[in-house]
Amino acid sequence: DAGVTQSPTHLIKTRGQQVTLRCSPKSGHDTVSWYQQALGQGPQFIFQYYEEEERQRGNFPDRFSGHQFPNYSSELNVNALLLGDSALYLCASSYRGLSGNTIYFGEGSWLTVV
Amino acid sequence: AQSVAQPEDQVNVAEGNPLTVKCTYSVSGNPYLFWYVQYPNRGLQFLLKYITGDNLVKGSYGFEAEFNKSQTSFHLKKPSALVSDSALYFCAVREADSSYKLIFGSGTRLLVRP
Repeated sequence: DAGVTQSPTHLIKTRGQQVTLRCSPKSGHDTVSWYQQALGQGPQFIFQYYEEEERQRGNFPDRFSGHQFPNYSSELNVNALLLGDSALYLCASSYRGLSGNTIYFGEGSWLTVV
Repeated sequence: AQSVAQPEDQVNVAEGNPLTVKCTYSVSGNPYLFWYVQYPNRGLQFLLKYITGDNLVKGSYGFEAEFNKSQTSFHLKKPSALVSDSALYFCAVREADSSYKLIFGSGTRLLVRP
């Protein structure tokens, strides 16, 4: 049973560029969330997708956008990259977003902006 | 507003001794509480959760946590620490039935010495 899978694992981008990160949820899960974890900090919630709609958004600018596909996989897009966007981006999945079901995380995508 | 506090940046314990990692939380309604562990350069691994019911929750790798509503605490415990338990531990809270996002604490580094 595959867990949450993310790609790419590492990438380096230049300021002002755009990046797309991808996530496949754990088998049987229909809800995907994205988190940003800066070095030395706890993860911060970016947004969550359920039934292909953004259901809740954290305190992140509109440069951060996402999408959920019919097969429940998801993408995180970040435009106009800033140095401060350098972080580990974590995807998490669960079944039925508002329930108390366990939320599982992927290994993350390390983004370095230079 | 939801918040989580992990008052100790680091906890040091000798192998074989009991360990406790502290967590207190604040939510408006009923909480869903989680503990995750993060090894270097890895994603988050789920340890245990409290949704409802018995205040003592047992999880993976011999860890357990006790939910204390009056003290708004959810401390992580293990009767006998292993060197391999050395990692970064995060407590997280979500407001039951009304919020999708997990709010994380700042993390506690556990160092178990041989």
